[in-house]
Amino acid sequence: SAVISQKPSRDICQRGTSLTIQCQVDSQVTMMFWYRQQPGQSLTLIATANQGSEATYESGFVIDKFPISRPNLTFSTLTVSNMSPEDSSIYLCSGGRGSSETQYFGPGTRLLVL
Amino acid sequence: EDKVVQSPLSLVVHEGDTVTLNCSYEVTNFRSLLWYKQEKKAPTFLFMLTSSGIEKKSGRLSSILDKKELFSILNITATQTGDSAVYLCALRVLETSGSRLTFGEGTQLTVNP
Repeated sequence: SAVISQKPSRDICQRGTSLTIQCQVDSQVTMMFWYRQQPGQSLTLIATANQGSEATYESGFVIDKFPISRPNLTFSTLTVSNMSPEDSSIYLCSGGRGSSETQYFGPGTRLLVL
Repeated sequence: EDKVVQSPLSLVVHEGDTVTLNCSYEVTNFRSLLWYKQEKKAPTFLFMLTSSGIEKKSGRLSSILDKKELFSILNITATQTGDSAVYLCALRVLETSGSRLTFGEGTQLTVNP
């Protein structure tokens, strides 16, 4: 299985601030994704992180609110901007290999916005 | 719109019981179906299914896909308290820009001693 790490593992933030989550994957991962899982709900794809270019966002998610970077194949960041309590959620980085459709998840970042 | 429906949404059993979790779907451009176990934060990959009728097995867990009837089941035999988790079904569908996973709501399984 792919090795995926995220940090921070959790954070408590004030309304109006921003938090950047980092994700590091091993070299076998080619595809990188960011998901959100709100309390009691399933996973929702935020965007596909594209290496060296703008991320591909899903309906309901915009770059101004969730800017994503992927400067190289194995590293990506997700920023949750101008946070509100509704952004309290688990944010998960996910990776898959191009030749295999198996997709693995990082340990997640639990965010609480006060 | 792609749809993944899991049932039941929650299930409580006793240790040693056998459980069957269901995942039905309506998707265009089906590519594969994946099962995950989620205990605290990150989903852990269990199985990926692409062909009908071929059972995937790992210890007490097994899964099979029926592409004609558009569903999959996940079986857990001789359940243990450590099997308590949310089990997620996800469909990989092809899109013009690549492929993506669409998740079901999950089945919350509780195994009591």
